[in-house]
Amino acid sequence: GNSVTQMEGPVTLSEEAFLTINCTYTATGYPSLFWYVQYPGEGLQLLLKATKADDKGSNKGFEATYRKETTSFHLEKGSVQVSDSAVYFCALSDLAGSSNTGKLIFGQGTTLQVKP
Amino acid sequence: DSGVTQTPKHLITATGQRVTLRCSPRSGDLSVYWYQQSLDQGLQFLIQYYNGEERAKGNILERFSAQQFPDLHSELNLSSLELGDSALYFCASSVAGGPYEQYFGPGTRLTVT
Repeated sequence: GNSVTQMEGPVTLSEEAFLTINCTYTATGYPSLFWYVQYPGEGLQLLLKATKADDKGSNKGFEATYRKETTSFHLEKGSVQVSDSAVYFCALSDLAGSSNTGKLIFGQGTTLQVKP
Repeated sequence: DSGVTQTPKHLITATGQRVTLRCSPRSGDLSVYWYQQSLDQGLQFLIQYYNGEERAKGNILERFSAQQFPDLHSELNLSSLELGDSALYFCASSVAGGPYEQYFGPGTRLTVT
């Protein structure tokens, strides 16, 4: 079945460091890919998305490129801030079966801690 | 604010009891998804409704059921609760089924004692 694998955390960085969180997926067909962020005590917020191969999603300085050849969707940010400390989830939309589903399959989440 | 509302925010109940979690989707969204977040299982899809009809089922126990009403709000019913049902339950909505972004509510934290 479809699945998502993220790098283990926690990831601890100093402010202004470069961030990469690896995400790889296994899927049939061409799912859409997403990054969600969860701040402490809150729900998930959509960070960015990509719907087809070579698409680059970007938002708030974060970027991720849909790489079909490597089945990857790594999250990057050039300069992290303390306020970026959160849990980041990579997800794909599972289109198996009915054409009107789109349930998300999540990776296990990666905790990012940014120190001043 | 995602526009998705969930009530209650916290729920504490005893084993064997039954609870109902409520979700109101964003205005205009037809599809509602329910997810469970626990430490050992991570984020797991439970069930999806689209315009009042069940569309997809995931790892949802037989003790759990859901429905979506004509005004598109949804309820998740959990019965014969066990300690292992303690988790965060999220509702998400999207404009339709399919590969569209989903917007999540703040969640209901269920504690079964």
